[in-house]
Amino acid sequence: DAGVIQSPRHEVTEMGQEVTLRCKPISGHNSLFWYRQTMMRGLELLIYFNNNVPIDDSGMPEDRFSAKMPNASFSTLKIQPSEPRDSAVYFCASSLNPIGTGRYNSPLHFGNGTRLTVT
Amino acid sequence: LAKTTQPISMDSYEGQEVNITCSHNNIATNDYITWYQQFPSQGPRFIIQGYKTKVTNEVASLFIPADRKSSTLSLPRVSLSDTAVYYCLVGDNVQAGTALIFGKGTTLSVSS
Repeated sequence: DAGVIQSPRHEVTEMGQEVTLRCKPISGHNSLFWYRQTMMRGLELLIYFNNNVPIDDSGMPEDRFSAKMPNASFSTLKIQPSEPRDSAVYFCASSLNPIGTGRYNSPLHFGNGTRLTVT
Repeated sequence: LAKTTQPISMDSYEGQEVNITCSHNNIATNDYITWYQQFPSQGPRFIIQGYKTKVTNEVASLFIPADRKSSTLSLPRVSLSDTAVYYCLVGDNVQAGTALIFGKGTTLSVSS
């Protein structure tokens, strides 16, 4: 089991540029989550998908943020345009949850994150 | 909204048992209690999960009293490598908005 794979590991970009973060969940998992972590705000849930469908994106800070999950093995989080305040570590996590129950009590498996620096 | 309260930090020495308590007064009937561990530059890692009484695995034990308004993560004989942030999560119901929310966690520092 390769675990959740995120790329790139580090990203440095200039303000105004587009940033795309990538995630490959664990094979067979049906739920995928994007989190952002900063010292000030801790771990924040941005958006999550169930069976490739976005369920709740209320944590996405602004319209500059968007996420997609075109298939069960791939998801992207895009920031366009990026701003210095977007600098953070972005984590992707996946889990296997009972279908159709709306309950997410299965353990989350996190990737090692993407450290984003926007200058 | 199920909310958790944990101590911000704890200190310990190698070989000691460490108990981290999490308060969750508004826990709902169907809520599970889940603990994660996070090392610097890594994502959180699942440690243990329980619903009531006691759960034990190779890493830790989780004690949950009958009223389920709190839980205690017990780490036996800690080592330097147990220095990390520990998070307690409660709730699993998306519709109730209680799922998947991490608090500030407890920073455990283990010294020799």
